[in-house]
Amino acid sequence: TQLLEQSPQFLSIQEGENLTVYCNSSSVFSSLQWYRQEPGEGPVLLVTVVTGGEVKKLKRLTFQFGDARKDSSLHITAAQPGDTGLYLCAPGWEYGNKLVFGAGTILRVKS
Amino acid sequence: EPEVTQTPSHQVTQMGQEVILRCVPISNHLYFYWYRQILGQKVEFLVSFYNNEISEKSEIFDDQFSVERPDGSNFTLKIRSTKLEDSAMYFCASSDGQYVTGELFFGEGSRLTVL
Repeated sequence: TQLLEQSPQFLSIQEGENLTVYCNSSSVFSSLQWYRQEPGEGPVLLVTVVTGGEVKKLKRLTFQFGDARKDSSLHITAAQPGDTGLYLCAPGWEYGNKLVFGAGTILRVKS
Repeated sequence: EPEVTQTPSHQVTQMGQEVILRCVPISNHLYFYWYRQILGQKVEFLVSFYNNEISEKSEIFDDQFSVERPDGSNFTLKIRSTKLEDSAMYFCASSDGQYVTGELFFGEGSRLTVL
């Protein structure tokens, strides 16, 4: 069962462009986390969103949790090559003592 | 800054051989995990461990896999008889166990290649 759908699967853009990636589900979550995995490294937490409609900003990254707490988006303004990586979302600890990740969006930012 | 460390960074083994991957979680963390990522695919949960026992495991974590915390600092994943399809990046992670907002801290991974 695919709990989370992330889209697009792959995104290749030029430096300076804006982009949005999505994390969708039919389930309601109490919270949702976004991680970034850079090539050759483990995932690193970017943000946790908890409240429906919540918006969090992390420099050029803006995270939004849907009002119904079923979906989330990540918007990157003026993307840079350092943003390249795999962006993963995971419902926060909904399934017991584990995090279950979506398949992720691979982002490549070309200079 | 505290970090999760993993050894080896890369291991090549023959099919059927036993492999042990080692991890040193962050010292005050209580929950430990192993995840797997086959090249180009998603990060998949294998097992979680708390209070010296497995608390959750996935269908991937069959009888060929085992985990152990042999002392106060190490956390190991053993694959008893490796198969070609076990070739993947294996990530260890730890957390302090805070639900809802708890963060998983990952190591840099151990790449396993089974020939």
